[in-house]
Amino acid sequence: EDKVVQSPLSLVVHEGDTVTLNCSYEVTNFRSLLWYKQEKKAPTFLFMLTSSGIEKKSGRLSSILDKKELFSILNITATQTGDSAIYLCAVEARGSTLGRLYFGRGTQLTVWP
Amino acid sequence: EAGVVQSPRYKIIEKKQPVAFWCNPISGHNTLYWYLQNLGQGPELLIRYENEEAVDDSQLPKDRFSAERLKGVDSTLKIQPAELGDSAVYLCASSLGWGTDTQYFGPGTRLTVL
Repeated sequence: EDKVVQSPLSLVVHEGDTVTLNCSYEVTNFRSLLWYKQEKKAPTFLFMLTSSGIEKKSGRLSSILDKKELFSILNITATQTGDSAIYLCAVEARGSTLGRLYFGRGTQLTVWP
Repeated sequence: EAGVVQSPRYKIIEKKQPVAFWCNPISGHNTLYWYLQNLGQGPELLIRYENEEAVDDSQLPKDRFSAERLKGVDSTLKIQPAELGDSAVYLCASSLGWGTDTQYFGPGTRLTVL
Protein backbone atom coordinates (compact mmCIF):
# COMPACT_ATOMS: atom_id res chain seq x y z
CA GLU A 1 0.00 0.00 0.00
CA ASP A 2 1.28 3.45 -0.89
CA LYS A 3 2.40 5.47 2.06
CA VAL A 4 3.73 8.96 2.85
CA VAL A 5 5.30 9.56 6.28
CA GLN A 6 6.22 12.96 7.64
CA SER A 7 8.39 13.78 10.62
CA PRO A 8 8.36 15.28 13.06
CA LEU A 9 4.60 15.52 13.58
CA SER A 10 5.05 18.75 15.50
CA LEU A 11 7.85 21.21 16.04
CA VAL A 12 8.15 24.32 18.20
CA VAL A 13 10.92 26.83 17.52
CA HIS A 14 11.77 30.48 18.14
CA GLU A 15 11.89 33.16 15.50
CA GLY A 16 15.15 33.10 13.61
CA ASP A 17 15.69 29.37 13.96
CA THR A 18 16.17 27.11 10.93
CA VAL A 19 13.96 24.04 10.61
CA THR A 20 14.05 20.91 8.49
CA LEU A 21 10.89 18.94 7.81
CA ASN A 22 11.09 15.40 6.51
CA CYS A 23 8.94 13.38 4.14
CA SER A 24 9.55 9.76 3.18
CA TYR A 25 7.41 7.80 0.77
CA GLU A 26 6.65 4.37 -0.57
CA VAL A 27 4.69 4.84 -3.77
CA THR A 28 4.54 2.59 -6.78
CA ASN A 29 5.48 4.39 -10.00
CA PHE A 30 6.45 7.67 -8.38
CA ARG A 31 5.91 10.75 -10.50
CA SER A 32 6.19 13.86 -8.30
CA LEU A 33 6.33 15.10 -4.71
CA LEU A 34 4.59 18.26 -3.59
CA TRP A 35 4.76 20.44 -0.48
CA TYR A 36 1.78 22.47 0.74
CA LYS A 37 1.38 24.93 3.62
CA GLN A 38 -1.92 24.76 5.49
CA GLU A 39 -2.98 27.46 7.89
CA LYS A 40 -6.58 27.73 9.11
CA LYS A 41 -7.77 27.58 5.55
CA ALA A 42 -6.86 26.11 2.19
CA PRO A 43 -3.58 24.26 1.68
CA THR A 44 -1.43 26.52 -0.45
CA PHE A 45 1.09 25.14 -2.94
CA LEU A 46 4.79 25.56 -2.19
CA PHE A 47 6.85 23.24 -4.39
CA MET A 48 6.63 20.39 -6.86
CA LEU A 49 9.69 18.15 -7.22
CA THR A 50 10.15 15.56 -9.91
CA SER A 51 13.92 15.30 -10.37
CA SER A 52 16.32 14.00 -7.80
CA GLY A 53 18.98 16.31 -6.41
CA ILE A 54 17.61 19.56 -7.80
CA GLU A 55 16.81 22.11 -5.11
CA LYS A 56 13.74 24.30 -5.43
CA LYS A 57 13.88 27.64 -3.63
CA SER A 58 11.42 30.37 -2.80
CA GLY A 59 12.67 33.03 -0.44
CA ARG A 60 13.50 31.43 2.89
CA LEU A 61 12.00 28.08 1.87
CA SER A 62 13.81 25.38 -0.07
CA SER A 63 13.21 21.74 -0.83
CA ILE A 64 15.09 18.84 -2.35
CA LEU A 65 14.16 15.34 -3.42
CA ASP A 66 16.18 12.13 -3.17
CA LYS A 67 14.52 9.53 -5.41
CA LYS A 68 17.05 6.85 -4.56
CA GLU A 69 16.41 7.07 -0.83
CA LEU A 70 12.71 7.97 -1.32
CA PHE A 71 12.56 11.12 0.74
CA SER A 72 12.35 14.89 0.59
CA ILE A 73 13.18 17.68 2.99
CA LEU A 74 11.71 21.14 3.35
CA ASN A 75 13.98 23.74 4.89
CA ILE A 76 12.86 27.04 6.34
CA THR A 77 15.59 29.48 7.36
CA ALA A 78 15.21 32.50 9.66
CA THR A 79 11.72 31.38 10.69
CA GLN A 80 9.02 33.95 11.39
CA THR A 81 5.76 33.70 13.33
CA GLY A 82 3.94 33.74 9.99
CA ASP A 83 5.55 30.42 9.15
CA SER A 84 3.43 28.76 11.82
CA ALA A 85 1.25 26.26 9.97
CA ILE A 86 0.86 22.62 9.05
CA TYR A 87 3.22 21.58 6.26
CA LEU A 88 1.83 18.78 4.11
CA CYS A 89 3.81 16.50 1.85
CA ALA A 90 2.02 14.71 -0.98
CA VAL A 91 3.13 12.24 -3.62
CA GLU A 92 1.66 11.57 -7.04
CA ALA A 93 2.00 8.25 -8.84
CA ARG A 94 1.89 7.42 -12.53
CA GLY A 95 -0.62 5.08 -14.08
CA SER A 96 -4.32 4.77 -13.43
CA THR A 97 -4.15 7.02 -10.35
CA LEU A 98 -2.26 9.82 -12.12
CA GLY A 99 -3.53 13.06 -10.62
CA ARG A 100 -4.35 11.50 -7.24
CA LEU A 101 -2.25 12.95 -4.41
CA TYR A 102 -1.33 10.80 -1.41
CA PHE A 103 -0.80 13.06 1.57
CA GLY A 104 1.16 12.55 4.77
CA ARG A 105 -0.26 13.59 8.13
CA GLY A 106 1.65 16.86 8.07
CA THR A 107 4.10 18.59 10.40
CA GLN A 108 2.61 21.19 12.75
CA LEU A 109 5.19 23.99 12.97
CA THR A 110 4.84 26.63 15.69
CA VAL A 111 7.19 29.62 15.66
CA TRP A 112 7.30 31.66 18.86
CA PRO A 113 8.33 35.32 18.83
CA GLU B 1 -8.26 36.09 -10.02
CA ALA B 2 -10.66 34.38 -7.62
CA GLY B 3 -9.52 31.13 -6.08
CA VAL B 4 -11.56 28.01 -5.45
CA VAL B 5 -14.80 28.94 -3.72
CA GLN B 6 -16.60 26.64 -1.32
CA SER B 7 -19.78 26.97 0.67
CA PRO B 8 -20.85 26.75 3.34
CA ARG B 9 -17.68 27.22 5.39
CA TYR B 10 -19.21 25.52 8.42
CA LYS B 11 -22.11 23.13 8.82
CA ILE B 12 -23.55 21.49 11.91
CA ILE B 13 -26.19 18.80 11.50
CA GLU B 14 -27.66 15.91 13.43
CA LYS B 15 -26.85 12.36 12.41
CA LYS B 16 -29.07 10.81 9.75
CA GLN B 17 -29.69 14.23 8.18
CA PRO B 18 -28.60 14.99 4.61
CA VAL B 19 -25.98 17.62 3.82
CA ALA B 20 -24.55 19.15 0.65
CA PHE B 21 -21.38 21.06 -0.12
CA TRP B 22 -20.79 23.30 -3.11
CA CYS B 23 -17.59 24.12 -4.95
CA ASN B 24 -16.78 26.56 -7.73
CA PRO B 25 -13.32 25.94 -9.21
CA ILE B 26 -10.90 28.47 -10.63
CA SER B 27 -12.13 29.70 -14.01
CA GLY B 28 -10.82 27.57 -16.84
CA HIS B 29 -9.82 24.63 -14.63
CA ASN B 30 -11.11 21.42 -16.15
CA THR B 31 -10.19 19.09 -13.29
CA LEU B 32 -11.99 19.22 -9.96
CA TYR B 33 -11.23 17.19 -6.84
CA TRP B 34 -13.06 16.53 -3.60
CA TYR B 35 -10.93 15.60 -0.58
CA LEU B 36 -11.80 14.57 2.96
CA GLN B 37 -9.51 15.71 5.77
CA ASN B 38 -9.92 14.25 9.25
CA LEU B 39 -8.40 16.00 12.24
CA GLY B 40 -4.67 15.38 12.42
CA GLN B 41 -4.57 13.70 9.02
CA GLY B 42 -3.70 14.71 5.49
CA PRO B 43 -6.41 15.12 2.85
CA GLU B 44 -7.68 11.96 1.14
CA LEU B 45 -9.14 12.02 -2.34
CA LEU B 46 -12.84 11.15 -2.63
CA ILE B 47 -13.48 11.85 -6.30
CA ARG B 48 -11.87 13.53 -9.31
CA TYR B 49 -13.70 15.03 -12.28
CA GLU B 50 -12.39 15.72 -15.75
CA ASN B 51 -14.95 18.25 -16.99
CA GLU B 52 -18.28 16.60 -16.14
CA GLU B 53 -16.95 13.02 -16.01
CA ALA B 54 -16.01 11.33 -12.75
CA VAL B 55 -12.74 9.58 -13.67
CA ASP B 56 -11.52 8.52 -10.22
CA ASP B 57 -14.23 7.76 -7.65
CA SER B 58 -12.83 4.53 -6.23
CA GLN B 59 -12.50 6.06 -2.74
CA LEU B 60 -15.98 7.57 -2.58
CA PRO B 61 -18.28 5.64 -0.17
CA LYS B 62 -21.10 5.29 -2.63
CA ASP B 63 -23.65 3.97 -0.15
CA ARG B 64 -24.07 7.43 1.35
CA PHE B 65 -21.93 9.83 -0.68
CA SER B 66 -22.71 11.22 -4.10
CA ALA B 67 -21.28 13.97 -6.25
CA GLU B 68 -22.10 15.72 -9.47
CA ARG B 69 -20.59 18.23 -11.84
CA LEU B 70 -23.35 18.59 -14.39
CA LYS B 71 -22.02 21.38 -16.60
CA GLY B 72 -18.36 20.72 -16.03
CA VAL B 73 -17.89 23.80 -13.84
CA ASP B 74 -19.16 23.86 -10.27
CA SER B 75 -19.76 20.72 -8.27
CA THR B 76 -21.85 19.44 -5.38
CA LEU B 77 -20.91 16.73 -2.88
CA LYS B 78 -23.76 15.19 -0.90
CA ILE B 79 -23.96 12.90 2.12
CA GLN B 80 -27.22 11.14 2.90
CA PRO B 81 -27.63 10.14 5.65
CA ALA B 82 -24.75 11.66 7.61
CA GLU B 83 -23.05 9.66 10.35
CA LEU B 84 -21.02 10.81 13.35
CA GLY B 85 -17.82 9.64 11.65
CA ASP B 86 -18.40 11.99 8.73
CA SER B 87 -17.35 14.96 10.86
CA ALA B 88 -14.34 16.37 9.01
CA VAL B 89 -13.23 19.10 6.64
CA TYR B 90 -14.27 18.63 3.02
CA LEU B 91 -11.84 20.28 0.64
CA CYS B 92 -12.36 21.05 -3.01
CA ALA B 93 -9.43 21.59 -5.36
CA SER B 94 -9.04 22.32 -9.05
CA SER B 95 -6.32 22.23 -11.68
CA LEU B 96 -6.03 23.16 -15.34
CA GLY B 97 -5.69 19.51 -16.33
CA TRP B 98 -4.65 16.34 -14.59
CA GLY B 99 -1.32 14.73 -13.95
CA THR B 100 0.87 17.72 -14.73
CA ASP B 101 -0.83 20.69 -13.16
CA THR B 102 -0.77 22.05 -9.64
CA GLN B 103 -3.90 21.52 -7.58
CA TYR B 104 -5.27 24.65 -5.91
CA PHE B 105 -7.41 24.16 -2.84
CA GLY B 106 -10.47 25.96 -1.55
CA PRO B 107 -10.94 26.90 2.13
CA GLY B 108 -12.99 23.79 2.87
CA THR B 109 -16.28 23.09 4.61
CA ARG B 110 -16.01 21.98 8.22
CA LEU B 111 -18.80 19.49 8.93
CA THR B 112 -19.84 18.58 12.45
CA VAL B 113 -22.32 15.74 12.86
CA LEU B 114 -24.00 15.58 16.29
